[in-house]
Amino acid sequence: NAGVTQTPKFRVLKTGQSMTLLCAQDMNHEYMYWYRQDPGMGLRLIHYSVGEGTTAKGEVPDGYNVSRLKKQNFLLGLESAAPSQTSVYFCASSSRPPGTVSNQPQHFGDGTRLSIL
Amino acid sequence: GQQLNQSPQSMFIQEGEDVSMNCTSSSIFNTWLWYKQDPGEGPVLLIALYKAGELTSNGRLTAQFGTTRKDSFLNISASIPSDVGIYFCAGFRGSQGNLIFGKGTKLSVKP
Repeated sequence: NAGVTQTPKFRVLKTGQSMTLLCAQDMNHEYMYWYRQDPGMGLRLIHYSVGEGTTAKGEVPDGYNVSRLKKQNFLLGLESAAPSQTSVYFCASSSRPPGTVSNQPQHFGDGTRLSIL
Repeated sequence: GQQLNQSPQSMFIQEGEDVSMNCTSSSIFNTWLWYKQDPGEGPVLLIALYKAGELTSNGRLTAQFGTTRKDSFLNISASIPSDVGIYFCAGFRGSQGNLIFGKGTKLSVKP
């Protein structure tokens, strides 16, 4: 009963390096989301996807790209990492949008802790 | 951008005490959600509210959707040590993806 799985759990990068964070969900959810969490800032939406092959920008999309080639996977890419992207990244999924009256919560992964030096 | 003002930022209480926290916004929201986050883990949904004035309970937790649709409240009764964590409110206005989170209330419970 894995739910939402994020890999890697930790990573340290140098400024300018690139990397991809992987999110996988086994609940057949249509909607997937990437958030970043910074101290004192709560969670902020980076990008999201409402289905396979679709992506959309969230609140803080700059410096990130995403892809949803398969329904169960949502990838977050950093093309040229910057120290400002040091954060904890959370992936989430839901079967319907969070405002739908169906009591379908967003399921979160345990996070990826990324440090950019 | 949109903001949710969550208060208090932190609370230090004695086991057995009741806890109250709230979230306010200058904008109207259609949905209010309350999450709890334990260290090293992702947030877990506690309560979802979909109608203005709605009062919903989940065990010792009770949350209310404010009648103005600009605020929400979470109460925890008879706190226990495992209630320790960070509690986040989140509001949803109806666009496809944008769930707006508050900055969190850090709860510490002294046994």
